[in-house]
Amino acid sequence: GENVEQHPSTLSVQEGDSAVIKCTYSDSASNYFPWYKQELGKRPQLIIDIRSNVGEKKDQRIAVTLNKTAKHFSLHITETQPEDSAVYFCAASNSGGGADGLTFGKGTHLIIQP
Amino acid sequence: EPEVTQTPSHQVTQMGQEVILRCVPISNHLYFYWYRQILGQKVEFLVSFYNNEISEKSEIFDDQFSVERPDGSNFTLKIRSTKLEDSAMYFCASSQGLGHTIYFGEGSWLTVV
Repeated sequence: GENVEQHPSTLSVQEGDSAVIKCTYSDSASNYFPWYKQELGKRPQLIIDIRSNVGEKKDQRIAVTLNKTAKHFSLHITETQPEDSAVYFCAASNSGGGADGLTFGKGTHLIIQP
Repeated sequence: EPEVTQTPSHQVTQMGQEVILRCVPISNHLYFYWYRQILGQKVEFLVSFYNNEISEKSEIFDDQFSVERPDGSNFTLKIRSTKLEDSAMYFCASSQGLGHTIYFGEGSWLTVV
């Protein structure tokens, strides 16, 4: 089955700086890669996703890049703000191979220092 | 904005007891899911459900687990004989179709004592 590795487990950045979180996946058939933000005690909320026919996607301060050859994808947050503090999970699935259960990474605790 | 809703938000149960967690997926969604998150760990896929049957399940989803769509709106997860290690947050989720965004409910926190 799919295996998703996520790094780092904790990331502390100064407010206004950029943050980058990286994930690798093992199943070359995976074709859908969402990123979820989870605040303490809350549900995971989708912040951005990318499909395998696209190399990069941007939404305001958030961007995701995908390298299919290397099987890795990254989340980039620019101009970080205190409300960006949360745990971020990457995930991967093969939406064409079944009912696309997501395989999640272990999460990155992002801390924005004021 | 439509949301996935779950009940109960928190349940405490004795080891060996049966538990049913309930979910109301978003109304026009066709795929339904259950995920589990043990405290401080990653979200883990349990099962997906489409067209009134299980589409995919993980190794975690063994014989003590079952899912059902008893009517047109509810989607339930039953744990037959709970174990201490079943203590976790259980998230229901739904999506419009394959490759579509998966929306999560607020979760049901299960504590087995």
